[in-house]
Amino acid sequence: QVQLQQSGPRLVKPSQTLSLTCAISGDSVSSTGACWNWIRQSPSRGLEWLGRTYFRSKWIYEYGSSVESRITISPDTAKNQISLQLSTVTPEDTAIYYCARGTDFLYWGQGTQVTVSS
Amino acid sequence: QSVVTQEPSLTVSPGGTVTLTCSSPTGTVTPDFFPNWFQQVPGQAPMSLIYNTDIKHSWTPARFSGSLLGGKAALTVSNVQPEDEADYYCLLAYRGWVFGGGTKLTVL
Repeated sequence: QVQLQQSGPRLVKPSQTLSLTCAISGDSVSSTGACWNWIRQSPSRGLEWLGRTYFRSKWIYEYGSSVESRITISPDTAKNQISLQLSTVTPEDTAIYYCARGTDFLYWGQGTQVTVSS
Repeated sequence: QSVVTQEPSLTVSPGGTVTLTCSSPTGTVTPDFFPNWFQQVPGQAPMSLIYNTDIKHSWTPARFSGSLLGGKAALTVSNVQPEDEADYYCLLAYRGWVFGGGTKLTVL
């Protein structure tokens, strides 16, 4: 059974960098059959796919157009986790952030409510 | 405002059948969009019901089915139950992935 456990600060100041991690159990971050997504949800923007990473002989990174200039998704094979960094945040980035596995989005993290406020 | 369009709300009677649709920004939804459908109840993460147009997970009730219908992705719920009242989201592979705006399904 795959489980995704998210962690990270719930309050971030404007202009700073939002950082979250998603620890994976029951699967390997570098599994060639898997990919690892970050998604967020807010009342104003709805559900929004932010990006993903996966390993196919090398690491591949794909980002959503709305955040591609500010986002970095990084795998950590030693800790079997992925991380999300979103730079230069504004109150518009206030949302529940989720990690999720695969192209069937079968497994989701528990969600992290992140508020951007001074 | 998502570029992937869903009905904002639908109402169905218990035991009835309802079809939710999902339109792409480019016109016709094809299998290459790998349509996914999710159910979300308040306070919980979305739960996958259907992927790759019509493939169910082991826990997806048989009354839920996915298809392509009239150029759109479709989620049909037959013999609707009160517990099916929820928000439903589609997801299409388009410049990455794009979620629809969601349909609030009311069972009344």
